[in-house]
Amino acid sequence: DAGVIQSPRHEVTEMGQEVTLRCKPISGHNSLFWYRQTMMRGLELLIYFNNNVPIDDSGMPEDRFSAKMPNASFSTLKIQPSEPRDSAVYFCASTLTGTEAFFGQGTRLTVV
Amino acid sequence: GENVEQHPSTLSVQEGDSAVIKCTYSDSASNYFPWYKQELGKRPQLIIDIRSNVGEKKDQRIAVTLNKTAKHFSLHITETQPEDSAVYFCAASQGGTSYGKLTFGQGTILTVHP
Repeated sequence: DAGVIQSPRHEVTEMGQEVTLRCKPISGHNSLFWYRQTMMRGLELLIYFNNNVPIDDSGMPEDRFSAKMPNASFSTLKIQPSEPRDSAVYFCASTLTGTEAFFGQGTRLTVV
Repeated sequence: GENVEQHPSTLSVQEGDSAVIKCTYSDSASNYFPWYKQELGKRPQLIIDIRSNVGEKKDQRIAVTLNKTAKHFSLHITETQPEDSAVYFCAASQGGTSYGKLTFGQGTILTVHP
């Protein structure tokens, strides 16, 4: 298995633009998690899905952030409009119930 | 919600020495405690985890201990090597369908000097 796949690996965008981050979980995993990592706030959970259904989005910072999981093999995290303070590394992780979380390589987002 | 505190924030040791990182958590419902290693520019990777029904777990040079009464757990690395240099994160979750719903500590930058 190729593991959790995220794209793009790097994204540079201008303030006010829409940004879409993508994630393909490990095949067979039933939960998917979006994390954000910054120097100031560390690793923080934004939202997670179980069987494609959003379970907890309390970590989503603002209405500018939205996430979807249309099927078991794909999820997106969208920021619209983007702001410089959204600059961070965004990780996607997936698990099978009762097992460890596997992280993707991350997307480094820079908003200028 | 859960709060995880991790100490120290930086740790410098000589090759061959032991390293210990400590974490405390606040939510008594947490029952799964993984440790992740993150090298510069890379993803966090699980190195060891422990569940609440176990007090200690060991995997070669790495061990984790858990004290549920005191709500703290620790990572022990023996015979450290330069390749152990990285950022280490502790985390806590309530398990079940949310093993990946992790609250992380702030991280410890471990440097092993040859």
